[in-house]
Order: sequence, then structure tokens, then C-alpha cells
Amino acid sequence: GNSVTQMEGPVTLSEEAFLTINCTYTATGYPSLFWYVQYPGEGLQLLLKATKADDKGSNKGFEATYRKETTSFHLEKGSVQVSDSAVYFCALSVNSGYALNFGKGTSLLVTP
Amino acid sequence: GAGVSQSPRYKVAKRGQDVALRCDPISGHVSLFWYQQALGQGPEFLTYFQNEAQLDKSGLPSDRFFAERPEGSVSTLKIQRTQQEDSAVYLCASSPPLRLAGYEQYFGPGTRLTVT
Repeated sequence: GNSVTQMEGPVTLSEEAFLTINCTYTATGYPSLFWYVQYPGEGLQLLLKATKADDKGSNKGFEATYRKETTSFHLEKGSVQVSDSAVYFCALSVNSGYALNFGKGTSLLVTP
Repeated sequence: GAGVSQSPRYKVAKRGQDVALRCDPISGHVSLFWYQQALGQGPEFLTYFQNEAQLDKSGLPSDRFFAERPEGSVSTLKIQRTQQEDSAVYLCASSPPLRLAGYEQYFGPGTRLTVT
């Protein structure tokens, strides 16, 4: 089956620290990969995506590269801010425009 | 507002009651998805519509769950004879036609259902 595994949180970092949230996947076929973010009190928002191997998605200083050889899509940011505190979800879709399979989410807290 | 809206935002039901949750997708969005998110977990797929056609309902946990989208726009998720294990946040997402989508789904704020 299709599944996503991401590192458990909570992750606590100081402002300006480097962030990595690991995500690996299992899928039939060739999935598209996503990172969604849920800020406190808000709905899920797409942060970035990659639709084929070696693609790099980027947005708001966050990056993730679709690694087919390691079935991974790790999220990184060079310098986190307090405003990045949120829950981050890795997800995949095996058919274009179809349902998403989500990981369990990783809570990030950035302290001043 | 141009986003996906859901109502009610919060619902408390006594065990055994029926509930109906509404989703208004973004105008013109062809695809509509329902997900269930338990506390501390990621969203789990329930069902998928393309226009008014329900193309996949494999994620519905039991026959107490029913979804419809009769005119290809607003959708309703109905849960009959609610049980405590139904307590969760129910998320609705919509997506434009595939040629425009880039695979992105736009999520509503969710309805938090608590069954007592």
C-alpha cells in the first residue's frame, strides 16, 4: 500500500537554527510528493510540492527534494523563525488530482 | 471569501445522534475530498467526488457514513448513529480541473465533531 512516515515531534528549535524534518514514503507507481503546513487555529495549506524524481520544491525558505533512490522527501530550512511554529505534514498522491496519503505530522516550536 | 468553507465549525453530538457536515468548495473546483483527522494524527482519506459523481468511497469507515454532492458543488457528509470513535476533525478539500491543478488541494478549516 501507499504510506508516508515522518519523524515524530515535537521538534523545538531556537530562532535561526537549521531545520530538517525527515519524510520517507512507500508507493506503487510514481507518486507526487507534498509538504502541507497547519498553523495554530488555521487550516492545512500547501507549503511545497514535487511531481517527479529529482524535482526540488521550495517556498518561504523551505526546500525539499524528491529522492527516488532513497524514497525520501525531507523538509529543510536554513534559518527558522518563530512564525514557522506549526505542524508539518508530508503527503503523497499516486494518481494526479487524487486523494492524499498523509504522514502523522511533526510539530515544530521555534523559540526566540 | 474565495476559500473552502465548512459548517458547522464545531459540533457536539450525543452518542446515537445523526449529524450532517457541510462543505462549500471553491467555485469551479471539480474535485472534492473528505478526510478524517483524529487527534494527533494526519488526515485520513474518506471519499472523493468528481463533479456529482462519487468515484471513491473506500475510506468511509462504516455504512454509518454517507456523503453526497448532488449538484456537483456543495457536499454533505452524514454520520448516522454517531459513536465516540467518530470524534475527530472532518476536513473538506477541493481541487480545480486537472489541467489547472498542479495536483494542489485546497483545504477548509474543518469541522470538529465531539461525540459524548
